[in-house]
Amino acid sequence: DTAVSQTPKYLVTQMGNDKSIKCEQNLGHDTMYWYKQDSKKFLKIMFSYNNKELIINETVPNRFSPKSPDKAHLNLHINSLELGDSAVYFCASSLTWTSGPYNEQFFGPGTRLTVL
Amino acid sequence: SQKIEQNSEALNIQEGKTATLTCNYTNYSPAYLQWYRQDPGRGPVFLLLIRENEKEKRKERLKVTFDTTLKQSLFHITASQPADSATYLCAGGADGLTFGKGTHLIIQP
Repeated sequence: DTAVSQTPKYLVTQMGNDKSIKCEQNLGHDTMYWYKQDSKKFLKIMFSYNNKELIINETVPNRFSPKSPDKAHLNLHINSLELGDSAVYFCASSLTWTSGPYNEQFFGPGTRLTVL
Repeated sequence: SQKIEQNSEALNIQEGKTATLTCNYTNYSPAYLQWYRQDPGRGPVFLLLIRENEKEKRKERLKVTFDTTLKQSLFHITASQPADSATYLCAGGADGLTFGKGTHLIIQP
């Protein structure tokens, strides 16, 4: 009965490779997010989708491309991986998107990406 | 740009005492702030949300305050226990998606 799941949990790859991280939520939420948490533990929003539509696209290299096949899934594809991409990537979901409050976010367990 | 700042990177508290963590915001007026707990190797877990028109919110041993004059939220854990040791994150921003860097709380037995 996992709420937000991510695969894989660990990903070790060489520079220049292309990789994908998958996320699924079974909470019936409309909105999903990708965050990056760097080595200093700073959690930064990357993308957000609401009902399969991209609503937030922060300043992220265009090597990162999110895809939402349906509102329960949000995948992150990364092309031409670089050393600086090493981090923990968290997927999250919330009930719905509102320009104001008041939705708590449910986070997945994270994917630790290591680029060698 | 809007900022969420948690000034203490680490805080050591004796078991049984009250731990108080600070979150300051600048360059915007949040409609609400959220507090999350993050344990090593895990994703953040939502704890409390406080709206701008609420001065205080409680949940069991947790209490959050919101002071729009000081532009600050305080997060309190009363009767702290070693199991409360974790990193606590404040989140805000116009879209609620800006996180502070967190405060690593250590409760010593």
